Amino acid sequence: DTAVSQTPKYLVTQMGNDKSIKCEQNLGHDTMYWYKQDSKKFLKIMFSYNNKELIINETVPNRFSPKSPDKAHLNLHINSLELGDSAVYFCASSPQTGGATGANVLTFGAGSRLTVL
Amino acid sequence: AQTVTQSQPEMSVQEAETVTLSCTYDTSESDYYLFWYKQPPSRQMILVIRQEAYKQQNATENRFSVNFQKAAKSFSLKISDSQLGDAAMYFCASNPFQGAQKLVFGQGTRLTINP
Repeated sequence: DTAVSQTPKYLVTQMGNDKSIKCEQNLGHDTMYWYKQDSKKFLKIMFSYNNKELIINETVPNRFSPKSPDKAHLNLHINSLELGDSAVYFCASSPQTGGATGANVLTFGAGSRLTVL
Repeated sequence: AQTVTQSQPEMSVQEAETVTLSCTYDTSESDYYLFWYKQPPSRQMILVIRQEAYKQQNATENRFSVNFQKAAKSFSLKISDSQLGDAAMYFCASNPFQGAQKLVFGQGTRLTINP
């Protein structure tokens, strides 16, 4: 049973379109994240949510809007897609926001490769 | 603020040999975690090993061990008896112990295993 699942795994779309990536975790974790991996394999945090509350927003363009309907789900919606948005987007979760052993060990999903043409 | 630097973009090793991947970091946190993640061609990010900064003893997980030098802010990964399945990108990362979690990654090292 997949711990952190993302859909879709692959997404090809045209510039200017709007698309969403969904993420679900069945680990009972309180904290969820979105990371972006660019073409040079560099991984950078975009957002994190703790119990549906936004706690990190890393100067991401406001075309990117995360939504957490409950603590097991964190979706990423992207408006007006640009060529530079092409990347692999990883969802992850951790038990909580830290302060306890193991709390900050992240479990990652398999990634969603977004290609903007 | 945290930064993580991996100065070896690529490494290669013969099967069954030992290889060491380098990582240095900088952080203003008094307590933090350090990690090595593996990313094979399947793209999945897999936790290899973690080290709590307050522990002096180096972490080990089977063939994987770290050399943690806190004063030098160095955190290298040693892979013993390299296997073909170890071929992957390896990322060093750090995370503060308290507060908002913000796992910061290095640039990655691509490890090739030669049969």
